[in-house]
Amino acid sequence: QVQLVQSGAEVKMSGASVKVSCKASGYTFTNYGITWVRQAPGQGLEWMGWISAYNGNTNYAQKLQGRVTMTTDTSTSTAYMELRSLRFDDTAVYYCARGPLRRWLQPNNDYWGQGTLVTVSS
Amino acid sequence: DIVMTQSPLSLPVTPGEPASISCRSSQILLQSNGYNYLDWYVQKPGQSPQLLIYLASNRASGVPDRFSGSGSGIDFTLKISRVEAEDVGVYYCMQSLQAPLFTFGPGTKVDIK
Repeated sequence: QVQLVQSGAEVKMSGASVKVSCKASGYTFTNYGITWVRQAPGQGLEWMGWISAYNGNTNYAQKLQGRVTMTTDTSTSTAYMELRSLRFDDTAVYYCARGPLRRWLQPNNDYWGQGTLVTVSS
Repeated sequence: DIVMTQSPLSLPVTPGEPASISCRSSQILLQSNGYNYLDWYVQKPGQSPQLLIYLASNRASGVPDRFSGSGSGIDFTLKISRVEAEDVGVYYCMQSLQAPLFTFGPGTKVDIK
């Protein structure tokens, strides 16, 4: 069965960096992308970006450009999202989801990780 | 960028009764291939989001048939034919026209009256 298992909760100081992992299993990793979405406390879903597990191509939300890097390790079927220069408003639950390789007619984001709470403190 | 709006933002429902959520896109999501690139998700309390509907009207695997999606162009609707207690949560529409860049609507909170 398809599973995405994320790393555990993190508490970081303002200005620091965080790296969240998302380990995929139950499907061919390189046949899909990974979508990253975050949710601030009490707020809605915010698309952060995407990475192709096939060729490493990325697409980041404009507001995060320059602070976020998404990578994959195909040998372990693991995706990573690193966010730098953390601010208080980066406090959120971060989700990975099995995404598309491109716009296609298959379901998008059909499996999600359990979420990783990142708390930015002073 | 495509902006997604939803109404209502809060929807108290009675079990056994139908419910409906509207979603509007700032751009036409219908492409020349005949597909509308609009998906629906639900986030139940304390859980990760889960896909309900893709391409406007296709139920995702395992989704009960009381859920249906309709609409075309810029206006879309998610309907629950008979609400059950387990359907409480926040429902989001999301444009997938610009995939893999996605935009979510603000969400509609469904709870029991």
